[in-house]
Amino acid sequence: DTGVSQNPRHKITKRGQNVTFRCDPISEHNRLYWYRQTLGQGPEFLTYFQNEAQLEKSRLLSDRFSAERPKGSFSTLEIQRTEQGDSAMYLCASSLNRMRTSLILGELFFGEGSRLTVL
Amino acid sequence: SQQGEEDPQALSIQEGENATMNCSYKTSINNLQWYRQNSGRGLVHLILIRSNEREKHSGRLRVTLDTSKKSSSLLITASRAADTASYFCATDGGAQKLVFGQGTRLTINP
Repeated sequence: DTGVSQNPRHKITKRGQNVTFRCDPISEHNRLYWYRQTLGQGPEFLTYFQNEAQLEKSRLLSDRFSAERPKGSFSTLEIQRTEQGDSAMYLCASSLNRMRTSLILGELFFGEGSRLTVL
Repeated sequence: SQQGEEDPQALSIQEGENATMNCSYKTSINNLQWYRQNSGRGLVHLILIRSNEREKHSGRLRVTLDTSKKSSSLLITASRAADTASYFCATDGGAQKLVFGQGTRLTINP
């Protein structure tokens, strides 16, 4: 399977616990994005990486959230001290930007998402 | 925040009919993309239209873009039950990320 892989697909946790999601992008893709999607809404941008560098973080990403992409391949999104409002689908997407200075985005390839339920 | 607004929020039609969804956005764009999402799944890219293009076709899909009105439409012709999904427009406003609308939930009745 050469698509974007996310795990776990589902996570149920109690409020206050920490959770971590992993995303394995398409291997040659240098860009990796995290989005959050709540029921009935469109995906909301959280953060993105160009190779291993985290280039932008949304205001939605409070200090309880941290994302890494240590070797420019897979990425992790950790949520500390989860709150019920964190319940959502966390989507990862990757893309290939051939020109580092290109300002134009192409197609994003999404994983199946990791659904978080905080009780 | 979400830039795009889709209209209608929900659409239910009979199989074989055409489905039209509209998207409006607020800022200038490099391109606009449409994605489909089946319930509980990830998003799948359908089509990309650049800011200097007015119309684009892909199979049963037809997308139009009117940059003067900051709007786009997605037409699915000869709909099938398998087209039942949510459809999202997403804009590339030059900020290195796509900004998605709230989506249109399309139901195709057999």
